[in-house]
Amino acid sequence: AQKITQTQPGMFVQEKEAVTLDCTYDTSDPSYGLFWYKQPSSGEMIFLIYQGSYDQQNATEGRYSLNFQKARKSANLVISASQLGDSAMYFCAMRILQGGSEKLVFGKGTKLTVNP
Amino acid sequence: KAGVTQTPRYLIKTRGQQVTLSCSPISGHRSVSWYQQTPGQGLQFLFEYFSETQRNKGNFPGRFSGRQFSNSRSEMNVSTLELGDSALYLCASSLAGMAGETQYFGPGTRLLVL
Repeated sequence: AQKITQTQPGMFVQEKEAVTLDCTYDTSDPSYGLFWYKQPSSGEMIFLIYQGSYDQQNATEGRYSLNFQKARKSANLVISASQLGDSAMYFCAMRILQGGSEKLVFGKGTKLTVNP
Repeated sequence: KAGVTQTPRYLIKTRGQQVTLSCSPISGHRSVSWYQQTPGQGLQFLFEYFSETQRNKGNFPGRFSGRQFSNSRSEMNVSTLELGDSALYLCASSLAGMAGETQYFGPGTRLLVL
């Protein structure tokens, strides 16, 4: 079964420190994509970063980087220099191909709290 | 470029009623997907539309339906509402719903069924 697992229901970090949010995935497809989204309390899902299964290098977008370990099937999100505005739910998602198009399968999410 | 918009943002209905939610994708995006988010089940895929055709469907009962118009705007309808339909409904758009594309989400519609 194609599945995303986020084992940390909640994480706390001090402002300006780095934090790693864990994500493991399960798929037998050789081609897949992994996404991280941020969901503040307002509800909107904000795209953060994308990693394709064939990408040789780890993806980075500003303060966000993705630690992609294909053999271990993990795609952890690293946020450097945390800010108070980073407090939100974070979802890892995997793109799967079904019925000729793609859909996203999401993990349960991790609630990140940044303390001043 | 304007983002994905969803209307209404909040909705209160009673059991047995029906509801229609609307989603306008990013200009140029032709694929629209719908997701339901609840505290218990998390984010679940409802269906995806491309060029006015439903191309993909999740495991939801037939009470959940949708459609897409020629301008790519999409609506989803839930008939005979149940208490368990209370959720945040998110719509996402992408260029064509294919490999490597990012889905961009709207702010969601919060539905409360009493």
